[in-house]
Amino acid sequence: AQSVAQPEDQVNVAEGNPLTVKCTYSVSGNPYLFWYVQYPNRGLQFLLKYITGDNLVKGSYGFEAEFNKSQTSFHLKKPSALVSDSALYFCAVRDPNQGGKLIFGQGTELSVKP
Amino acid sequence: SAVISQKPSRDICQRGTSLTIQCQVDSQVTMMFWYRQQPGQSLTLIATANQGSEATYESGFVIDKFPISRPNLTFSTLTVSNMSPEDSSIYLCSVVTPGNTIYFGEGSWLTVV
Repeated sequence: AQSVAQPEDQVNVAEGNPLTVKCTYSVSGNPYLFWYVQYPNRGLQFLLKYITGDNLVKGSYGFEAEFNKSQTSFHLKKPSALVSDSALYFCAVRDPNQGGKLIFGQGTELSVKP
Repeated sequence: SAVISQKPSRDICQRGTSLTIQCQVDSQVTMMFWYRQQPGQSLTLIATANQGSEATYESGFVIDKFPISRPNLTFSTLTVSNMSPEDSSIYLCSVVTPGNTIYFGEGSWLTVV
């Protein structure tokens, strides 16, 4: 069965420091991987995706993610965190053999302090 | 990209009543989905809205409780029937674009009292 794990419920980072939000997945075949951000009282905003190609994917707001097939991971990164990055982040996987539905991780709350 | 509009954005509903949520997309899309996000939780897929045929429901969700319509490639509705406080959630519409990017609407925030 497909699954996504975000091992950290919360990540705390000082402004200006690099940040990493971890995600590991389990899916048969070649997964499509996504990161979304949810600000308070808002819907989900698409950040980036990996389908194929370069393992390092660049997305919105300076975020990037690295696909590692051997470790079945897709960690979200940003070189220099901003206070405005504070939000809830979701990793999700899509098995292209099972339509377009997404399986989500439980979410990671990112808190960036000045 | 795809711009997805959901209505209503928020509502407070009486238990036992039903509410229909609308999802409008600015372009034709083949795949459209409805998700639920319960308070403090992640997202769970309710169903795939199929154009011209009955929706495909995930385990734990049934058509009598969550009837879905998909009359064309840009519009869908989700009805939450006979609501109870346990139905208080965010309901989100999602679409897949031809580039395999999956976008979400802003959600419909329902509180059942």
